[in-house]
Parts: sequence; structure tokens; C-alpha cells
Amino acid sequence: KQEVTQIPAALSVPEGENLVLNCSFTDSAIYNLQWFRQDPGKGLTSLLLIQSSQREQTSGRLNASLDKSSGRSTLYIAASQPGDSATYLCAVRSRVGGGANSKLTFGKGITLSVRP
Amino acid sequence: DAMVIQNPRYQVTQFGKPVTLSCSQTLNHNVMYWYQQKSSQAPKLLFHYYDKDFNNEADTPDNFQSRRPNTSFCFLDIRSPGLGDAAMYLCATSRGRTPRTATDGYTFGSGTRLTVV
Repeated sequence: KQEVTQIPAALSVPEGENLVLNCSFTDSAIYNLQWFRQDPGKGLTSLLLIQSSQREQTSGRLNASLDKSSGRSTLYIAASQPGDSATYLCAVRSRVGGGANSKLTFGKGITLSVRP
Repeated sequence: DAMVIQNPRYQVTQFGKPVTLSCSQTLNHNVMYWYQQKSSQAPKLLFHYYDKDFNNEADTPDNFQSRRPNTSFCFLDIRSPGLGDAAMYLCATSRGRTPRTATDGYTFGSGTRLTVV
């Protein structure tokens, strides 16, 4: 059974700091990994999707890396801003059972607060 | 813009009174999902439709049902809501079960926050 862990649960940094959010997963046989952002009381916004064959993806100030063999991913946020304050969730798509079915498993997320 | 829309944003229902949450999408994605998310918890998959095929998670209570009358719409029915069913319900879509790009990947609606009184 796939398990996704995100530690710490919360993080507070001053504005302008570069930061790294960590994600680990127990089963390395994944199809892809996706990072989402969730604002309080809102749905999830997809940030980056990394296929299992890829090592990283970049979008603006965000860079996500994937080390499938070690079961780890990181989300790097450059020059953090107060508007980056949100919960960041990591999710992996992995096979379920012996057939073609697969499932997206989420971590609990890291709540980021960027102080002005 | 193509999107996933959930209605209503906030729903208050009485204990034991059936309630239906709705989700619509303009992305023409063939897979639609319903997730339950409780406070500070990871979203938990309840079930999904792959085209018209319904796929229930093993631990989803019988109290939860779903309907997908066409590609664009999907409904979550809670037959007899209990206090423990109060949560954010998230609808998501994807093109295929293993999307290869962010565009085909999981697109979530804004969610419906359900309160049971």
C-alpha cells in the first residue's frame, strides 16, 4: 500500500527566502507525481506534474524534482512571497492490484506561511 | 476557460437528510473523481468514473453513492449524512487514469464544504 509523507506539517519563513518542501513515498513503482496548492477552504490547484521517467519540472519560481529510486520529491520555491502562503500537497499515481487500475495517493500537505 | 465547477460551495444539511453535491466539467476529460477531505487531512478517494464505468474504493461507506449521467456531469449522493460526514468534498477530472501532462492531469474543482447539523 502506497503511503505519502510530508514533513514538517507547517513551515514559516520570511519573505524572499528560498525554500524546499519535501515529500516521500513508500512504493517507488509510480506512474507520476504531482504537486498541488490548496488555499484555505478552497480546492486544489495543480502546480507541476512529473512523469516517472523525468527528474524535474519547472514553472516560474517553482521547481519540482523526483528521485523515484529513493522515493523522494522536493518542491523548490525561489524568492518566496506572502502570496505563496498556502498548503502544498504532494500526490503520487501508482498501480493498484495486478491490472491496469491506478490510484492517486496524497500526503497531508505542508502549510506554508511567508511572513512579510 | 475550461474548468471543473462544483455546486454549491457550501452546503448545510440535517442529520440523516439525503443530500446531493454536483460537479460539472468543460475539459472533456473521461475520468471523474470524488474525494473527501477532512480538516488537516489528505484528500481521500471515494470513487471514480472511467467513462461510464463506476469504480468504488473498498473502504467507501455504502452511504455514499454517485451518478454520472453524461461526460460533463457527476453527482455525489449521501443517503443519510452523519456528523462524521462533515468535510470538504472535492471533484476532480483527468484524461485517462495516468495523465502524462499537467494539462491532462488532475484538475480539481473549488470543492463543496458540507456541514451536518
